[in-house]
Amino acid sequence: DIQMTQSPSSLSASVGDRVTITCQASQDISNYLNWYQQKPGKAPKLLIYDASNLETGVPSRFSGSGSGTDFTFTISSLQPEDIATYYCQQYDNLLLTFGPGTKVDIK
Amino acid sequence: EVQLVESGGGLVKPGGSLRLSCAASGFTFSSYSMNWVRQAPGKGLEWVSSISSSSSYIYYADSVKGRFTISRDNAKNSLYLQMNSLRAEDTAVYYCARGRRGGNYYFDYWGQGTLVTVSS
Repeated sequence: DIQMTQSPSSLSASVGDRVTITCQASQDISNYLNWYQQKPGKAPKLLIYDASNLETGVPSRFSGSGSGTDFTFTISSLQPEDIATYYCQQYDNLLLTFGPGTKVDIK
Repeated sequence: EVQLVESGGGLVKPGGSLRLSCAASGFTFSSYSMNWVRQAPGKGLEWVSSISSSSSYIYYADSVKGRFTISRDNAKNSLYLQMNSLRAEDTAVYYCARGRRGGNYYFDYWGQGTLVTVSS
């Protein structure tokens, strides 16, 4: 089974800062990598699919890149409403795996 | 507007059973695969099971294989999860999620979740 790692596990940044989260797969997953945002007490929300495609309605300050085993998620200018935990998720051979999550806070 | 509403959660003793339901609206339910994803208290997300639009293909995580059964009723726009032989480690919020696939597969809409607590 493919394992997913995320780093950092948590971060604190100031409003307006650029925030970057990385996700690494234990095997090549092409671009089958997706990103979700989960605010406290809420269901997850799809932000990015196919590594770099922005889901409809999601603000353009969110972006994703990468392929193969290494992926990056970026918030270009952190806003107070972006406080959440962010998860990557991969699809391979009929199995779906989430990364452990990155908790983002305001400094 | 796509809506997914889970129900059926609650407190159950170890070894017991529970059936979760998910009522879907706002889209053509019979055209989409559906999924259950769970989240233990304070933990991350774990995919549990998927079912194709016509129920032809069904998949389970190893952690629930042989104990959980996913099913759907397209006439009722409903998804189900029958959970048997429940263990303490099955305690979690269970989310119903719509699947979208191309070569990739991801969850584009989620319900609000229903809490299952397995405890004596």
